[in-house]
This record gives sequence, C-alpha cells and structure tokens, in this order.
Amino acid sequence: GAVVSQHPSRVICKSGTSVKIECRSLDFQATTMFWYRQFPKQSLMLMATSNEGSKATYEQGVEKDKFLINHASLTLSTLTVTSAHPEDSSFYICSARSQASGDLNEQFFGPGTRLTVL
Amino acid sequence: GQNIDQPTEMTATEGAIVQINCTYQTSGFNGLFWYQQHAGEAPTFLSYNVLDGLEEKGRFSSFLSRSKGYSYLLLKELQMKDSASYLCAAMDSNYQLIWGAGTKLIIKP
Repeated sequence: GAVVSQHPSRVICKSGTSVKIECRSLDFQATTMFWYRQFPKQSLMLMATSNEGSKATYEQGVEKDKFLINHASLTLSTLTVTSAHPEDSSFYICSARSQASGDLNEQFFGPGTRLTVL
Repeated sequence: GQNIDQPTEMTATEGAIVQINCTYQTSGFNGLFWYQQHAGEAPTFLSYNVLDGLEEKGRFSSFLSRSKGYSYLLLKELQMKDSASYLCAAMDSNYQLIWGAGTKLIIKP
C-alpha cells in the first residue's frame, strides 16, 4: 500500500517559535494533501486542503497566516505553525490522495506529529 | 448541513461480535470509509463502501445502505488489540471526507 511519512514525529517548542512539519508521499504522487488536527479524545478536524502548485484551501476558523502550507511538489507538503502558543499543542496528521487513476478516493495517512508548545 | 453520527463508546467481550453503526448526511456522496485509530496514532484504513451491500475482509465487514444514509462496521472474533477508536467518514461531492467523532471500542477479557 501507499506510504506517507511525517517528520518530525514529536516536537516540543517554546511559545513564540515556529515549527515546520513535513509530509511526504514515499511511493506515489499525491495530487492533493490534507492537513488535520486532532485534540485529545476528539475526531479529526480538517485544517486545509492543498493541491500541488496552488494555494491551500483553509477551513473556516483556521488562520492562514498562522498555519502556512506549502505544497511544492507532488510528494511533499509542509505545514508551518508560526508563533506557536500552548493552545496550538495538538496531534497534527497529514494525508495524501493518489494521482493514479482508480485511486481517486482513498486517502493515505501519515503517522502524525505530536506538537507540544510550552 | 453535513453530519456524521456514530456512538461515542461501546464495550464488548473478547471473542464476541460487535457492530458499530454510522449515519451520514452529506452534499453528494462518493463513498463511506471506516478507519481504526489507536490512541496516539494516526488512523489506518479499514474499508471503503460506495455501493449498497456488505464488504467482508477477514474479521471485519462493512455494510452500506445509500438510501438510508447508513453504514455499519462489524467486527468478529474480537481480540484485545481491537480496542481502539473507529472513525466513520463519508466523502462528499467534492471528494472531501466528512468525519464522525469516532466510536471508542473497549474490549474486556
């Protein structure tokens, strides 16, 4: 099956710093990548959808200037949490959708990044 | 609006069978997904239904009724490792997943 990696898996940072999370599709080309946030005991919350080479589409309530998304290639998307604060502490998960025909619907998830802001 | 409903928590006994129900309302429909998520980990794909009926995959089966906006995940021969949250997600006309809050399944010996 398709593999999606995320780096780092865990990060602890001080309030006010910026953190970059990478999401890579390892063995397929991803037309679309999704960024989710999950707080403890809650379901996944879609933050934004990014298509290669174009600006990300953010969900209502998600600050574009705070959560910067770059999808520079068909295998890499990055999420930068700028000026992170303790309330940004969460589990961030990316997923990728394959470009190959017949695989339009399935999303493949990365292992997630646990962000803790002190 | 778009909405997914599933029970918050269920308890079952090791070796038994459990059915987790999900109802959905979406703008358009391109399939129903079930994912398993262990605590602290990302979701893993279990099943995908787009046509009515039952799809069986080993100990897990998933059922869909499009006319009723209803799906269920059936887990047989429960094992302790099946203790996890089970997420139901419906794909709308824009191929965007609409997620349920998840059902926490507790397996008791």
